[in-house]
Amino acid sequence: DQQVKQNSPSLSVQEGRISILNCDYTNSMFDYFLWYKKYPAEGPTFLISISSIKDKNEDGRFTVFLNKSAKHLSLHIVPSQPGDSAVYFCAASAGSSGNTPLVFGKGTRLSVIA
Amino acid sequence: DTGVSQDPRHKITKRGQNVTFRCDPISEHNRLYWYRQTLGQGPEFLTYFQNEAQLEKSRLLSDRFSAERPKGSFSTLEIQRTEQGDSAMYLCATKGGEETEAFFGQGTRLTVV
Repeated sequence: DQQVKQNSPSLSVQEGRISILNCDYTNSMFDYFLWYKKYPAEGPTFLISISSIKDKNEDGRFTVFLNKSAKHLSLHIVPSQPGDSAVYFCAASAGSSGNTPLVFGKGTRLSVIA
Repeated sequence: DTGVSQDPRHKITKRGQNVTFRCDPISEHNRLYWYRQTLGQGPEFLTYFQNEAQLEKSRLLSDRFSAERPKGSFSTLEIQRTEQGDSAMYLCATKGGEETEAFFGQGTRLTVV
């Protein structure tokens, strides 16, 4: 049973527009959430995170929103750039400050079209 | 380079052979995690260490797999009697006490033929 779900395997967005990537989770014990970006043949690179005590965290063009009651989070990228094209993974942790092992979704491949 | 380093980057081996991978963490990162990623999946947790202590092992870690972190610095992951199903990207991630995110290495891609 997948505890972290990314239901859209792929997403295409025009350059300059907003990209919205979604993630759902089932485990109520998750209290820390992260987004990672992955290029082919490289390891995941950390993008942004959010603690369950917040509902929004922003870092430059990237914003993560958390809806605890719906067990849903989303990553917004504005404006989208061609260099953002990659696979994005949502990950969750049940424990303080994300120390416990991460549970990942299957990823969403984002293509930003110039 | 002060990032997480994994060696080798690629490994092709014949079924039944043993393989060993190495991970060198970011200096002073006391937590070290091993994950495995197969095509179309996200990384799946295998095992993790706090310093030299192995704190948790996933059900994915069969008895053919063993991991060590003898001095609390680098770690090795060994797979004995490899099977074709072991073909995957093996990722190492490390985390310090203050950071909230884990930093990943570039991974070791294993192909069992």
